[in-house]
Amino acid sequence: EIVLTQSPATLSLSPGERATLSCRASQSVSTFLGWYQQKPGQAPRLLIYESSNIFPGVPARFSGSGAGTDFTLTISSLEPEDFAVYYCQQRYSWPRTFGQGTKVEIK
Amino acid sequence: QLQLQESGPGLVKPSETLSLTCVVSGYSVSNNPYYWAWIRQPPGGRLEWIGTVYYSETIFYSGSTYYNPSLQSRVTISVDGSKNQFSLKLTSVTAADTAVYYCAAAPNPSWFDFWGRGTLVTVSA
Repeated sequence: EIVLTQSPATLSLSPGERATLSCRASQSVSTFLGWYQQKPGQAPRLLIYESSNIFPGVPARFSGSGAGTDFTLTISSLEPEDFAVYYCQQRYSWPRTFGQGTKVEIK
Repeated sequence: QLQLQESGPGLVKPSETLSLTCVVSGYSVSNNPYYWAWIRQPPGGRLEWIGTVYYSETIFYSGSTYYNPSLQSRVTISVDGSKNQFSLKLTSVTAADTAVYYCAAAPNPSWFDFWGRGTLVTVSA
């Protein structure tokens, strides 16, 4: 099973700042990595798939990059609604696995 | 717009079977092949994929299922096209199975495009 490790665990930033979140895979997943956003009491929402493709309806301030074992989710300028927990997920192999999450909180 | 809604008991006793249903609206399960999945999240924990089923009434490999090996011996996911819903059964539950259970769906087996709101299931005597 592929283990995904996210860092940092918590990111404290102010609105308008740039957020950079990392996800590292225990083995190469090519570009088969996605990102989800989860707000308290809500289901996750798909943001990015195949490392860098934005899911329809997702604001352009979200972007993803990376290949192999190292991936990054960037939020160019944080809006108040972006403060949430973010999870990465790989689809390179079964079982599908998720990272442990990065919480982006208001500083 | 495809929408999903989980339903089922919120409390299950240890060693019993957890049974949940996900009702699909805005999409015909029978007429359109799709991937239907269950994912869970223990309190304060990470998301865990349980399994995915591919369902089509007309395509050769309809009913293909993929389960998490860690749960495979206890899990069954099935689709009922006549009721436009799919279900999860997890046998011999323990406290470790306490989690919010989400149903999800997508046109491919890779990502989870649509999610239900989730339902908390607590395993306790």
